[in-house]
Amino acid sequence: EAEVAQSPRYKITEKSQAVAFWCDPISGHATLYWYRQILGQGPELLVQFQDESVVDDSQLPKDRFSAERLKGVDSTLKIQPAELGDSAMYLCASSPFLSGSADTQYFGPGTRLTVL
Amino acid sequence: DAKTTQPNSMESNEEEPVHLPCNHSTISGTDYIHWYRQLPSQGPEYVIHGLTSNVNNRMASLAIAEDRKSSTLILHRATLRDAAVYYCILSRTGANNLFFGTGTRLTVIP
Repeated sequence: EAEVAQSPRYKITEKSQAVAFWCDPISGHATLYWYRQILGQGPELLVQFQDESVVDDSQLPKDRFSAERLKGVDSTLKIQPAELGDSAMYLCASSPFLSGSADTQYFGPGTRLTVL
Repeated sequence: DAKTTQPNSMESNEEEPVHLPCNHSTISGTDYIHWYRQLPSQGPEYVIHGLTSNVNNRMASLAIAEDRKSSTLILHRATLRDAAVYYCILSRTGANNLFFGTGTRLTVIP
């Protein structure tokens, strides 16, 4: 069964350093999402792509976070500089298409970031 | 965005049915009701979704109230592997964003 791949699975970094996370969605899925999940809370959407275009980045802290999906396939989420409050699980999800409200999202295993 | 209300935690004995409730009194006419669950140290996984009618799949059943202001996820026979956080989510009309709350943490007792 096809899965969403993410790397690395774990990342430890120091405050003010740059970090990057990679996501490879299920083949053929046009929509890609990045979520952040703080311990004890549900995931919160950071950015949504339709193919290579950003559909929603209203919750992305743009002063330090950036996301790209240049060829409409895999995606990279970057944080520069990292802050202590960025410690969280970063989840990537993909779905087949952006139509209606019943599209199922498939999540990857996540990248757990710890900022020291 | 329409909000959902779920109990913080529930317990069930293994091999017994589990009914997980969700209130969504501000649901709009075209909002779908989704359920996802998140096992420890994993990403969320899809469980089931519905609009107006009750739904069944291999994982669970979804019972939707006639006025759609509440729904219940039914696990027919809980196993230890069903221990997870269960999220009830309304998807915004015309978009695929999922707005997760804090969910219900289900503990299955052997």
